[in-house]
Formats: sequence, C-alpha cells, structure tokens
Amino acid sequence: GAVVSQHPSRVICKSGTSVKIECRSLDFQATTMFWYRQFPKKSLMLMATSNEGSKATYEQGVEKDKFLINHASLTLSTLTVTSAHPEDSSFYICSAADRGLAYEQYFGPGTRLTVT
Amino acid sequence: KQEVTQIPAALSVPEGENLVLNCSFTDSAIYNLQWFRQDPGKGLTSLLLIQSSQREQTSGRLNASLDKSSGRSTLYIAASQPGDSATYLCAVASGSARQLTFGSGTQLTVLP
Repeated sequence: GAVVSQHPSRVICKSGTSVKIECRSLDFQATTMFWYRQFPKKSLMLMATSNEGSKATYEQGVEKDKFLINHASLTLSTLTVTSAHPEDSSFYICSAADRGLAYEQYFGPGTRLTVT
Repeated sequence: KQEVTQIPAALSVPEGENLVLNCSFTDSAIYNLQWFRQDPGKGLTSLLLIQSSQREQTSGRLNASLDKSSGRSTLYIAASQPGDSATYLCAVASGSARQLTFGSGTQLTVLP
C-alpha cells in the first residue's frame, strides 16, 4: 500500500513554455503533499508544502508565481513550472502524507525536467 | 532551522564488509527519522523509519539507530553486497507540517 505516482516521468520543453507535473496518491488520501527539487549530485530541497483545499506554503527562496502548486483533491497535487528556463532543469519529486499513516511521507518516482 | 549532516560523503568498501553510515541533526525536536536509498537517476526507496520514541529499527541486513538527545543516527549495513551500491539519504521530520529535512547523502560503492 501507500503508493504515489508522478506523471510524466520525463519531460523536455522549450524555454518560455509551461510544464505541469502531476502527483497522485493511488491507494490513500493525502491531506498533505510536498514538492522537492534535486540538483545533480545534490540532496533534496523542499520547495513547498500543500494541504488539500488551501494555498501552498513555499520555502524561502522559492518563487510562488513561477512554481504554481494546486492541491485540489485528497489524491492529486500538481506543480506547474511557468515560463520555464534552462536553470529550471532538475529532478522534481513529490511526496504524500496522511494522519492515518502516522504522517509518514511516501515518495513518487520523480520527474526529470529538461528545458532547452 | 533544522540542519542534517551525513558523514562520510562517499565510501568505497570491498564486498562482504560491514559498514556504518552516520547522520546528525541540529534540532532534537523531531517526529521521526528515515533512511532512504537512491539509485542514479531514480526516486527514493524508503529503507527504515524510526519514530522519535524508538531507539532502533531493523530490516534484513540493515539496522538503524537513533539517539535523539545527541542528534545522531547510524545506519549499519551487514555483509555488504555490490547491489547495495547507491546513495543513502537520511531525513528528519520536524516542524508543524512534519517537513522532511534531508542530509546531503553518502555515496556507497561496494566493490565485488
């Protein structure tokens, strides 16, 4: 149980376009979802925390107008990278947590974004 | 602000050796601590989760300990195998949303 999926697993886009990444909890309801970013050979950095039905809380230094997060339901959160630039190229990973699962975070497989 | 440090950054050992990876954190007010494995270009695989009230957890050849008061955790891998080669990440859950703060990882190479 406690499976989290991400789609797409890999995406290439041109500078200036927007890209949407989906994160779904497949077999549980997630009251909280998290978005992380990982640079090559670096650790994961928390970008934002989102609770279902409310606005996301962004970490310091993360532009909320550039990284739009929507947590419209208990099983789906989306991250939209707007007006993407090559420096946005990275590995994006989501996780989901719920009180019923002792708040343990379950991670998606990640999305590799390349902006050309 | 929680900070997590992992030592060493990289480790290379011959097959069959027992090894210890270290993790330290600055704020002892944590909910839990997790150890993850990450293969190149892949997502995270959860290995062990230790709740703040626990001292250790075991799974197969893996044993993780937690000393919350001193802000330390160790991951012990017994009888290492080439398939254990990966990056091992330590993360602690703290804060109102139980956010995870990750260490920078230990890149392990087990030589056949």
